[in-house]
Amino acid sequence: AQSVTQLGSHVSVSEGALVLLRCNYSSSVPPYLFWYVQYPNQGLQLLLKYTSAATLVKGINGFEAEFKKSETSFHLTKPSAHMSDAAEYFCAPMNTGFQKLVFGTGTRLLVSP
Amino acid sequence: SQTIHQWPATLVQPVGSPLSLECTVEGTSNPNLYWYRQAAGRGLQLLFYSVGIGQISSEVPQNLSASRPQDRQFILSSKKLLLSDSGFYLCAWSVGGAFTGELFFGEGSRLTVL
Repeated sequence: AQSVTQLGSHVSVSEGALVLLRCNYSSSVPPYLFWYVQYPNQGLQLLLKYTSAATLVKGINGFEAEFKKSETSFHLTKPSAHMSDAAEYFCAPMNTGFQKLVFGTGTRLLVSP
Repeated sequence: SQTIHQWPATLVQPVGSPLSLECTVEGTSNPNLYWYRQAAGRGLQLLFYSVGIGQISSEVPQNLSASRPQDRQFILSSKKLLLSDSGFYLCAWSVGGAFTGELFFGEGSRLTVL
């Protein structure tokens, strides 16, 4: 089954700086991939998803992610960080035939003024 | 529109006491239902999921159990809590049938076992 690796449990950026959160998947077979965001003391919500229709996927709040098969990566980016982006971000693959998502370990994004 | 309710929001329980967390979904039928747990340093762990009434899949061996007595109700239980059961418990649902990967989460229940 597919799994993902999220590099960096914490990422710190300044307000206005580029945000880059890394996610690598485990197989050469392109999966469906998801990014979810969790704001403090809340449940997760879907940020964006890759379902093989387009390699560059745009999500909510100005985030986007690019699927790169050659690098087995699906990194999340945002050109300019806002204070409100401070949250934990989870990458997850979807394994066909399964009715569940198993999330990566998460990356906490810290945004400083 | 669909909504998901989870309660209680916070809970402080002594070691060895029982546990019951409840989750209900409104506005949809035959959802898939999930229980996840976040514990310090352990990421987001899938505990149980259910694709129908009475159908429970357990992902992690532990002293917790789950039940689905009604189509839109999912209950997480324990007979005797351990310190290691402390954490933030999240219920989620997805549309029934072919899984799309889109989960809708509740607001969570924070459990502290003392």
